[in-house]
Amino acid sequence: QKEVEQNSGPLSVPEGAIASLNCTYSDRGSQSFFWYRQYSGKSPELIMFIYSNGDKEDGRFTAQLNKASQYVSLLIRDSQPSDSATYLCAVMKTSYDKVIFGPGTSLSVIP
Amino acid sequence: EAGVAQSPRYKIIEKRQSVAFWCNPISGHATLYWYQQILGQGPKLLIQFQNNGVVDDSQLPKDRFSAERLKGVDSTLKIQPAKLEDSAVYLCASKGRDSRVRTDTQYFGPGTRLTVL
Repeated sequence: QKEVEQNSGPLSVPEGAIASLNCTYSDRGSQSFFWYRQYSGKSPELIMFIYSNGDKEDGRFTAQLNKASQYVSLLIRDSQPSDSATYLCAVMKTSYDKVIFGPGTSLSVIP
Repeated sequence: EAGVAQSPRYKIIEKRQSVAFWCNPISGHATLYWYQQILGQGPKLLIQFQNNGVVDDSQLPKDRFSAERLKGVDSTLKIQPAKLEDSAVYLCASKGRDSRVRTDTQYFGPGTRLTVL
């Protein structure tokens, strides 16, 4: 079992729709969860961080964490073509541990 | 605040040749990472430094890869000899406080795209 898995893409949604990206992780000791966005040919940039069960909202982005199910998701409301990118889920046990990335899910928002 | 700097941005070499990458982290960041990202995959950690000490190098192919951070600031990653499967983007990141999310997070450099022919 891979340490961090993400739903396979590519994922295509129409402009204005909700994009749902999913991630599962294997280490129950994981404490911090990140979502990075990576445009083609660019380096990853952090868009969301969550560490408590439940939802965390930031603008059009909502991260959801369920530690019992070892599941974290990212919802993008009112999707825009500029949201087209690869979204990387990453987990970390403690702030001194390494960050483990998932394989990424490619999102395409169709105008 | 200046970001993480990397050079070169692109490198093309033939297999069995050597190559070195350089990284300068954000000032004051004690933790530095080197990642390998193969096309279509997520970044894979090669080595993590805390100041000039190695914290994790469990996935570094030590028969051909080496890295150092002698003064706890700049770092170099070397591949000798290179193989075809080393073609990837090599990302350097440093860790520091992100005021927006209020936690320590990684800041990535632009990466070095390596092509091994």
